[in-house]
Amino acid sequence: AQSVTQPDIHITVSEGASLELRCNYSYGATPYLFWYVQSPGQGLQLLLKYFSGDTLVQGIKGFEAEFKRSQSSFNLRKPSVHWSDAAEYFCAVGAPNTGTASKLTFGTGTRLQVTL
Amino acid sequence: DVKVTQSSRYLVKRTGEKVFLECVQDMDHENMFWYRQDPGLGLRLIYFSYDVKMKEKGDIPEGYSVSREKKERFSLILESASTNQTSMYLCASLGFNSYEQYFGPGTRLTVT
Repeated sequence: AQSVTQPDIHITVSEGASLELRCNYSYGATPYLFWYVQSPGQGLQLLLKYFSGDTLVQGIKGFEAEFKRSQSSFNLRKPSVHWSDAAEYFCAVGAPNTGTASKLTFGTGTRLQVTL
Repeated sequence: DVKVTQSSRYLVKRTGEKVFLECVQDMDHENMFWYRQDPGLGLRLIYFSYDVKMKEKGDIPEGYSVSREKKERFSLILESASTNQTSMYLCASLGFNSYEQYFGPGTRLTVT
C-alpha cells in the first residue's frame, strides 16, 4: 500500500519569498503524484500532477513540483509567494494500473501562512 | 467546468440521529468518493463508488454507509451519529480513465 508524508505541519513565509513544501511517498514503483490546495472554507483544487516523463511539472498559480525517484519525493515550489497563497496544501499518491488507480492516499497537509 | 455540490455547508445533529450527506456531480463521472478531513490526519477515504449501486469500503468505513441510486448522486449515511463523527466531510468525483478528482466544498458536521 502507498503512503505519503508531509513533514511540515505549518510553514510561514513572507510575501515575495520563495516556497518549498515537502512531500515524501512510499510505493514500490513510480506512483502518480498530485498536489492539491484548499483555501479556507473550500474544497480541494488540483495544483499539478505527475504521471510520467519530465520530472519537473508545472501547475496553476505559478507552482511547480519536481519528482525525484532517488529521494521518493515530490516537493512543491513557488519562486515568489503571494498573500493569496495562504492555504492548506495536500500531497497525494495514486497507484497506477492496479485497478485501484482512481483511489488516492493523501498526506496530512501543510498549512501555509504568508506574512506581509 | 466540473461541478460537485454538497447539500449543506454546515450541519448540527444530535447523538443517535440518522444523518444524510448528499453529493451531486454534473459531469457524468463514474467514480465518486466520500472523505472525512480532520486536523493532523489529512483526508481519509470512507467509501467510494465506481458505478451506480456499486460501492467499496475505504480506509475508515465503520459507522458509515453509502447509497448510489443514480450516477450523479452519492449519499453518505451516518446510521446513528456519534460525537466522534464530528468532522469535515468532502465528496469528490472522477471520470473513467482519469486521475484528477474534483472536490465539493465540504460539509462541516457537528454532532452534539
